[in-house]
Amino acid sequence: SQQGEEDPQALSIQEGENATMNCSYKTSINNLQWYRQNSGRGLVHLILIRSNEREKHSGRLRVTLDTSKKSSSLLITASRAADTASYFCARYLRDDKIIFGKGTRLHILP
Amino acid sequence: NAGVMQNPRHLVRRRGQEARLRCSPMKGHSHVYWYRQLPEEGLKFMVYLQKENIIDESGMPKERFSAEFPKEGPSILRIQQVVRGDSAAYFCASSPSSGRATDTQYFGPGTRLTVL
Repeated sequence: SQQGEEDPQALSIQEGENATMNCSYKTSINNLQWYRQNSGRGLVHLILIRSNEREKHSGRLRVTLDTSKKSSSLLITASRAADTASYFCARYLRDDKIIFGKGTRLHILP
Repeated sequence: NAGVMQNPRHLVRRRGQEARLRCSPMKGHSHVYWYRQLPEEGLKFMVYLQKENIIDESGMPKERFSAEFPKEGPSILRIQQVVRGDSAAYFCASSPSSGRATDTQYFGPGTRLTVL
């Protein structure tokens, strides 16, 4: 993709395990935001990380940003059934454009 | 404070008909964005509007699609003479101030358009 990818496309893990999703980008960003989308629903904002930040935490969520590798990761610790959803990385570019990837479909197994 | 509202949630149209999708932003938000999401795809930006102004429509097809955000009332995304390829989920988002690069966007539940 011209603007980067998210991987994996799909992820299935056991409840209680940690889930890691990655997002890459190709042009300079202002910030990067992660969103969650439950099936058939709108997107919910999870966390924002600015280009001068390296790590952010919010509850069980941890986001890292490596600008030298142009990549970000979202870690969900101690996963729960309710975490089953699609997770999207939104790249907020310096020219004010916002690019969403195809997302990672996370499935938490009981 | 109600979130972003979209209606209808589901819309079925036959080829050639018109589809009108409505979006009411969060209270206090004056910036509205429309996105289209095809099955198994990410969101694709279509248009960015402020009240009575189209700021950026670079993602919107040149023909059959139009958007408005009047001084009063919701934002409307209009698709004329729909075709099967228009079947998708259309999401609206709003933000409180200018500067897409820094503002978090709050999304509505989406309108799922099915063209028969």
